[in-house]
Amino acid sequence: EDQVTQSPEALRLQEGESSSLNCSYTVSGLRGLFWYRQDPGKGPEFLFTLYSAGEEKEKERLKATLTKKESFLHITAPKPEDSATYLCAVQATGNNRKLIWGLGTSLAVNP
Amino acid sequence: KAGVTQTPRYLIKTRGQQVTLSCSPISGHRSVSWYQQTPGQGLQFLFEYFSETQRNKGNFPGRFSGRQFSNSRSEMNVSTLELGDSALYLCASSHDRDQPQHFGDGTRLSIL
Repeated sequence: EDQVTQSPEALRLQEGESSSLNCSYTVSGLRGLFWYRQDPGKGPEFLFTLYSAGEEKEKERLKATLTKKESFLHITAPKPEDSATYLCAVQATGNNRKLIWGLGTSLAVNP
Repeated sequence: KAGVTQTPRYLIKTRGQQVTLSCSPISGHRSVSWYQQTPGQGLQFLFEYFSETQRNKGNFPGRFSGRQFSNSRSEMNVSTLELGDSALYLCASSHDRDQPQHFGDGTRLSIL
C-alpha cells in the first residue's frame, strides 16, 4: 500500500539552529514528491516538487533533497517566520494520480 | 494573479443538514481537487474534477459529492451531515494533474 510518513511530528528550534525534516515514502513508482508549508488557519502553500533521486531544490533557507526512499527538507539558520507545519505528498505513477499525504511536521522556531 | 478562493470561510451546521461549499480556481487552471483535513487523519482526498468530469475519487461515502462548471469553478456537497464531518475542507487547483496544486484557505465546517 502506498504510504507517506513524516518525522518528527513536532520540532522546536532556536533561531539560527539548522535542522532537517524527513519524509519517507512507499509507492510502486514515484512520479513526483511535493513539499508544502501550512500556516494556522491557511491552506497549504506549495514549496517544491522533486521528480528523481539525487534532485535538489532550494528556496531561501530551505533545501529539499530526494532519494529512492525518502526526502529531506533542510532548514538552514531558521527564523521565527519559518514556524509552520511542513507537509509532504507523493504522487505515484499509473492512472491514479492522486496525492498521498503525510501528517506533517509542526516546526516552531523560537527567537 | 488571484489565488484559489473558497466560500464560505466558516460554516456551522447541525446533524442531518446538508451543505454546499464553493471553490473558484486560479484563472487558467482546469483541474480542481477537494480534500478533507482533520488533526488525526491529515489531508484526505475527496475527488478531482477536470473539464467538468470527475476524474478521480477518494474513499468517502456517497453523501459527499461534487461538480465542476464550464468556467472551472467547483462545488462540493455533503448531505445528511454527521458529527464526524467537522473538518477543514480544502480546494486545490492546477493546470493538470501532474502540476503542483495550489490551495485555497479552506472552509471550516463545524457540525453541532
